[in-house]
Amino acid sequence: GEDVEQSLFLSVREGDSSVINCTYTDSSSTYLYWYKQEPGAGLQLLTYIFSNMDMKQDQRLTVLLNKKDKHLSLRIADTQTGDSAIYFCAESIGNTDKLIFGTGTRLQVFP
Amino acid sequence: SQTIHQWPATLVQPVGSPLSLECTVEGTSNPNLYWYRQAAGRGLQLLFYSVGIGQISSEVPQNLSASRPQDRQFILSSKKLLLSDSGFYLCAWTLIGGTDTQYFGPGTRLTVL
Repeated sequence: GEDVEQSLFLSVREGDSSVINCTYTDSSSTYLYWYKQEPGAGLQLLTYIFSNMDMKQDQRLTVLLNKKDKHLSLRIADTQTGDSAIYFCAESIGNTDKLIFGTGTRLQVFP
Repeated sequence: SQTIHQWPATLVQPVGSPLSLECTVEGTSNPNLYWYRQAAGRGLQLLFYSVGIGQISSEVPQNLSASRPQDRQFILSSKKLLLSDSGFYLCAWTLIGGTDTQYFGPGTRLTVL
């Protein structure tokens, strides 16, 4: 079945770049997403990428997609303490209206 | 613009008591609606989704049920809560025919004692 995997934790120093990785299994996914969840809050859409793209950049965020390896990454440049949160990747499931979410990566930014 | 509301924000209930969580969406019509549960330290589990009034799909067998009495209202219920029902419940919506992007509500923190 469909599965999305992420590492559970990432710790970086303020000002450094963060790279959060994700692997997925459904090769028919049309879109892949990155969401951010701050403590006690819902999920906030950060960005998404269409499956025929390799890269998408939005200010400090860069998404890289390797369809051959089914690998998605989110790079946050100049990471700030306000970036500390849980980051979820998700894939759309072909011909359904559902998303499959990874377990989330907890990013901790220290001064 | 579209907004999604959930209430209550937090809830503490005894085992065996009933549950009703409400989710409403404003500013859109005929959305797909979703209920997720996020257990402590874990990812999101899709519980139910609905593509229209009265149309509910259940993803996992469980102690919960869902209903969609109106186009923009989605309700999560239980007749008798279990300890294992504790968690963070998130409602989401998406536009049919769009990018499948789901937009989430603020969530309800349920603690069953």
